[in-house]
Amino acid sequence: GAGVSQSPRYKVTKRGQDVALRCDPISGHVSLYWYRQALGQGPEFLTYFNYEAQQDKSGLPNDRFSAERPEGSISTLTIQRTEQRDSAMYRCASSLASGGTGKNIQYFGAGTRLSVL
Amino acid sequence: GEDVEQSLFLSVREGDSSVINCTYTDSSSTYLYWYKQEPGAGLQLLTYIFSNMDMKQDQRLTVLLNKKDKHLSLRIADTQTGDSAIYFCAESISDYKLSFGAGTTVTVRA
Repeated sequence: GAGVSQSPRYKVTKRGQDVALRCDPISGHVSLYWYRQALGQGPEFLTYFNYEAQQDKSGLPNDRFSAERPEGSISTLTIQRTEQRDSAMYRCASSLASGGTGKNIQYFGAGTRLSVL
Repeated sequence: GEDVEQSLFLSVREGDSSVINCTYTDSSSTYLYWYKQEPGAGLQLLTYIFSNMDMKQDQRLTVLLNKKDKHLSLRIADTQTGDSAIYFCAESISDYKLSFGAGTTVTVRA
């Protein structure tokens, strides 16, 4: 079946603009995660949804970052008033469920490369 | 900084075995993972091991876990040019949050 789909694959924007990054999880996956990956680093957790409920947003760097998943499927990560330091790869992952049951294996999409000029 | 540490680079000859090492800090991690990242592609889950296991083998891949030393390794047998990639070790630090290392870049030379 189809994997996690993210769009756009690349986004170039000017400082101060808002951007919206989209994630379409694997069909049937209840849990959805956003990570940010700086160049030369591993992904870092941003936020997590179970169905439509945002369970943890502790990794969001500041209040310019927000995420939603209104119908429990597709999610959007929005960055307002972008800054150059927001440039990174933004990765989305999904899993069947969360919890230590083996159903929380996270499958990642190809990511969105964001460049803020 | 990351709680998961990996060596940054590994160069291996085609046909030899590769061993990528990782240390982690959270002794309560239930699962530990290896992901592979190729240019232009997503993070591909290679394999994972449950914390009550010492070893897991999957075709050319062998994962060894030493819980006492909090050490995880990935061995790739008969390394091929297609194995050139960045390999990330990750630990589950909660029911849903993964903590990744910085990645090991593996270069396979002919």
